[in-house]
Amino acid sequence: NAGVTQTPKFRILKIGQSMTLQCTQDMNHNYMYWYRQDPGMGLKLIYYSVGAGITDKGEVPNGYNVSRSTTEDFPLRLELAAPSQTSVYFCASKRTGGRSTGELFFGEGSRLTVL
Amino acid sequence: GESVGLHLPTLSVQEGDNSIINCAYSNSASDYFIWYKQESGKGPQFIIDIRSNMDKRQGQRVTVLLNKTVKHLSLQIAATQPGDSAVYFCAENAGGTYKYIFGTGTRLKVLA
Repeated sequence: NAGVTQTPKFRILKIGQSMTLQCTQDMNHNYMYWYRQDPGMGLKLIYYSVGAGITDKGEVPNGYNVSRSTTEDFPLRLELAAPSQTSVYFCASKRTGGRSTGELFFGEGSRLTVL
Repeated sequence: GESVGLHLPTLSVQEGDNSIINCAYSNSASDYFIWYKQESGKGPQFIIDIRSNMDKRQGQRVTVLLNKTVKHLSLQIAATQPGDSAVYFCAENAGGTYKYIFGTGTRLKVLA
């Protein structure tokens, strides 16, 4: 199993450009998450999904969009990139079950710089 | 000792000593907590979790303590090793949601 795979690993965007960060998992997990981590800081929840066709906002959703058309994929769309979106983005998934059935499995991260 | 850096608080401990990393949470509805370890350039990795009906849970070389009265939890690492150097985060989950909210994090430095 590859686990959670994120692409690209690195990207530089110009202000106003758009892009999609890809996330796919092969563990048949229902729950998927997007977090951002600014340098030297903690993780902030952007969006999450409890299953295909269902998404919900997290702590910092502004400037982002998500979709969940399949169990495996949970892409994060940035429209009109701004310097404030410079960050490392982590995708995570959690196995099906109750909310206290533990761990989030994280990808390696996608480092985005907006200039 | 413990110091506040530019962003993350840092805890420096001697190799072989025990480490105690603290986390305060603010949501009194949170009833499930997880500790994660993040090594440089990687995603966080699960260490141990605890439900609110417990005060203490032990794993291999790690213990998590939960004090609901003051909304505080701690991670104790026994016989700290160089490989324990990382940033440690607590995450909380509140009843009725599948959101997992992360705390600020603490950087642990193990001194040889």
